[in-house]
Amino acid sequence: NAGVTQTPKFQVLKTGQSMTLQCAQDMNHNSMYWYRQDPGMGLRLIYYSASEGTTDKGEVPNGYNVSRLNKREFSLRLESAAPSQTSVYFCASSLALYEQYFGPGTRLTVT
Amino acid sequence: GENVEQHPSTLSVQEGDSAVIKCTYSDSASNYFPWYKQELGKRPQLIIDIRSNVGEKKDQRIAVTLNKTAKHFSLHITETQPEDSAVYFCAASSVGSARQLTFGSGTQLTVLP
Repeated sequence: NAGVTQTPKFQVLKTGQSMTLQCAQDMNHNSMYWYRQDPGMGLRLIYYSASEGTTDKGEVPNGYNVSRLNKREFSLRLESAAPSQTSVYFCASSLALYEQYFGPGTRLTVT
Repeated sequence: GENVEQHPSTLSVQEGDSAVIKCTYSDSASNYFPWYKQELGKRPQLIIDIRSNVGEKKDQRIAVTLNKTAKHFSLHITETQPEDSAVYFCAASSVGSARQLTFGSGTQLTVLP
């Protein structure tokens, strides 16, 4: 099993550009999550999907949108990137209320 | 919403000594408390977790204690080794259809040989 995979690994955007971060899991997990990690601030939840067909806002949803494409895939979209969105983005998945497994992360820089 | 505070932000110990990291949470409804270890450039990985119906849990050199009354929980690492050097994050979560984890700000643990 590959576990949780994310693409791309690195990305540089100019202010105002858009992009979609992709996440997929092969563990048959119900729930999927998107976090951002900034220095000294831990991980903050952007959006999550408790099950296929549902999505909900987390702590810091502004400037992002998500799509739960199917049970395996959960994408994060930045419609108009801003320098404040420079961060490392982690996708995670879990089986209901159990351990969250994280992907390898995407390092995004917005100039 | 939930707020998790973590202390200290950095911790240096000699190899073989013990390390303790403490977290407090604000939401009395929180009932799940995981600890994650993150090595430089890597993804966070769960090392131990505890649920609110248990006061202490151990796994080899790692233990977690929970005080629901005071709303704090701690990670204890005994007989530290250089490979324990990493950033450690605590988190808290309340009941819901999915685990909405609120993380602490992290502790950089350095084990000196």
